[in-house]
Amino acid sequence: EAGVAQSPRYKIIEKRQSVAFWCNPISGHATLYWYQQILGQGPKLLIQFQNNGVVDDSQLPKDRFSAERLKGVDSTLKIQPAKLEDSAVYLCASSLRSRNNPTDTQYFGPGTRLTVL
Amino acid sequence: DAKTTQPNSMESNEEEPVHLPCNHSTISGTDYIHWYRQLPSQGPEYVIHGLTSNVNNRMASLAIAEDRKSSTLILHRATLRDAAVYYCILITSGSRLTFGEGTQLTVNP
Repeated sequence: EAGVAQSPRYKIIEKRQSVAFWCNPISGHATLYWYQQILGQGPKLLIQFQNNGVVDDSQLPKDRFSAERLKGVDSTLKIQPAKLEDSAVYLCASSLRSRNNPTDTQYFGPGTRLTVL
Repeated sequence: DAKTTQPNSMESNEEEPVHLPCNHSTISGTDYIHWYRQLPSQGPEYVIHGLTSNVNNRMASLAIAEDRKSSTLILHRATLRDAAVYYCILITSGSRLTFGEGTQLTVNP
């Protein structure tokens, strides 16, 4: 079974530039998550999709971050404009069901390491 | 969300058992105890979860205290590949996966 795919793996940009990350979840997984992991900390949920609808975006800085999941499969996360504090690893995860099922397992991709100069 | 407390770091020797503790004194009756781990330069991966009874799978065992206020993840024979950050997380219906700082496990050859 193929895992969660993410690209690019690494990205370096200057502040005020824009950047986009792509995620392809495990086939058949209804729920998709984007996390931000700052160095030395655990991942923090940014947004959760159930199929192509947003379930939770309460921790997404909406003035500069946006995400979409067209057709309920692939997803993109965009930052525009980037700030220095956005330097982090951006992780995508997917799960078969949803967080309404507390036994559901999340499967994570390898992440995209973003450096903002 | 109910909080968990884990030691910042632990060390073990290769091929010895490892017991990783987690305290969750404010756990509610509907909270499941999940463990994830994150190997260097990888995304987190699921290890095991339980509610009240001890659980075993191919990766590890989970021992849950009778009052559920603490739990222990047991790696029966640590290998160098088990060196990772281990996260203990409480999840109930509708809650998000909230990662703390976890325990950094070092395995010595």
